Amino acid sequence: NAGVTQTPKFRILKIGQSMTLQCTQDMNHNYMYWYRQDPGMGLKLIYYSVGAGITDKGEVPNGYNVSRSTTEDFPLRLELAAPSQTSVYFCASSYMNTGELFFGEGSRLTVL
Amino acid sequence: GESVGLHLPTLSVQEGDNSIINCAYSNSASDYFIWYKQESGKGPQFIIDIRSNMDKRQGQRVTVLLNKTVKHLSLQIAATQPGDSAVYFCAVTGGGNKLTFGTGTQLKVEL
Repeated sequence: NAGVTQTPKFRILKIGQSMTLQCTQDMNHNYMYWYRQDPGMGLKLIYYSVGAGITDKGEVPNGYNVSRSTTEDFPLRLELAAPSQTSVYFCASSYMNTGELFFGEGSRLTVL
Repeated sequence: GESVGLHLPTLSVQEGDNSIINCAYSNSASDYFIWYKQESGKGPQFIIDIRSNMDKRQGQRVTVLLNKTVKHLSLQIAATQPGDSAVYFCAVTGGGNKLTFGTGTQLKVEL
């Protein structure tokens, strides 16, 4: 199993541009999450999903959108990128509502 | 809401010594606690968890202690090795799907 795969690993955006961070998992997990990690900080939950067709906001959802059309995929959309969205983004999944999350390796985004 | 903090941003230990990483949480209703390890350039990796009906749980070379009275938990790593060098996060949940992560402690293992 590949686990949780994120693409791209690195990306530089200009202010106002849009992009989608891709996330796919092959563990048949129902729960999927997007976190952002700023330097020296913990992870902040952006959005999460408890199954295909169901998404909900986390702690810091402004400026982002998600969709969950399949169990495997959970893309994160950034509209009108801002410098405040410069961060490392992690996608994660879990089988049940447990704390044992499986994380991808992260996508480092810089907005200039 | 929940807030989670670690006591030290950096901890340096000698190889072979035991390491203790501490974490405090604010919500007395929190019932599930997890430790994650994050190596440089990688995503966090689950280490061990504990529920609020337990005070102690042991894994391979790791022990988590929970003190609900003072809302404190700790991660003990026995015989610390160079491969243990990483950032360690505690995470807490009071139910639902939302974990609150602490800011992390950088563990440095000196040879």
